[in-house]
Amino acid sequence: AQKVTQAQTEISVVEKEDVTLDCVYETRDTTYYLFWYKQPPSGELVFLIRRNSFDEQNEISGRYSWNFQKSTSSFNFTITASQVVDSAVYFCALSEAYTGNQFYFGTGTSLTVIP
Amino acid sequence: NAGVMQNPRHLVRRRGQEARLRCSPMKGHSHVYWYRQLPEEGLKFMVYLQKENIIDESGMPKERFSAEFPKEGPSILRIQQVVRGDSAAYFCASSPAGKYEQYFGPGTRLTVT
Repeated sequence: AQKVTQAQTEISVVEKEDVTLDCVYETRDTTYYLFWYKQPPSGELVFLIRRNSFDEQNEISGRYSWNFQKSTSSFNFTITASQVVDSAVYFCALSEAYTGNQFYFGTGTSLTVIP
Repeated sequence: NAGVMQNPRHLVRRRGQEARLRCSPMKGHSHVYWYRQLPEEGLKFMVYLQKENIIDESGMPKERFSAEFPKEGPSILRIQQVVRGDSAAYFCASSPAGKYEQYFGPGTRLTVT
């Protein structure tokens, strides 16, 4: 069963628009961690954020914000006033505290910001 | 503090050859993970190692693939008799003991011709 689902395969927005990338996860653990990574065309993985299951506070970092809702098992990522440099593939990932710490990645959302 | 190092960054092998991918974890990290990213897909877990021990290899193909993390030196992911389907990006991540966070290397892009 897929533990992390990113239903949006590709999204295109015009520069300065806001965009939300969805992530839904599945776990039976009570302690787990959620992550977002950015993979630009160069291919490396850039860490964006880590949240643990006990902290449901939303977080804002510049133009980025994250909405963690345990009730819907979602950890959505919003980019405000998108820029061309935001064009990349974005991955959501889950790590469970009691299963060897491997990361379960979603299939990624490819974001294209059109100038 | 250097990050996770992987080399080579790009590797080209002909079918039937062996591929060796190296990963040097961050200083002080004793846990290493290998992931594979097939084209247009997300990363899939392969193996989790601690020094001199394989902890979880549930994601490793049963044949041709092996991994080690010796007491001294980098972790090695070895692929014997490569086939075209092995073409992918292979990422290594490391973490300190007891921490639920992983730091990823830049990846090795393997192309099998």
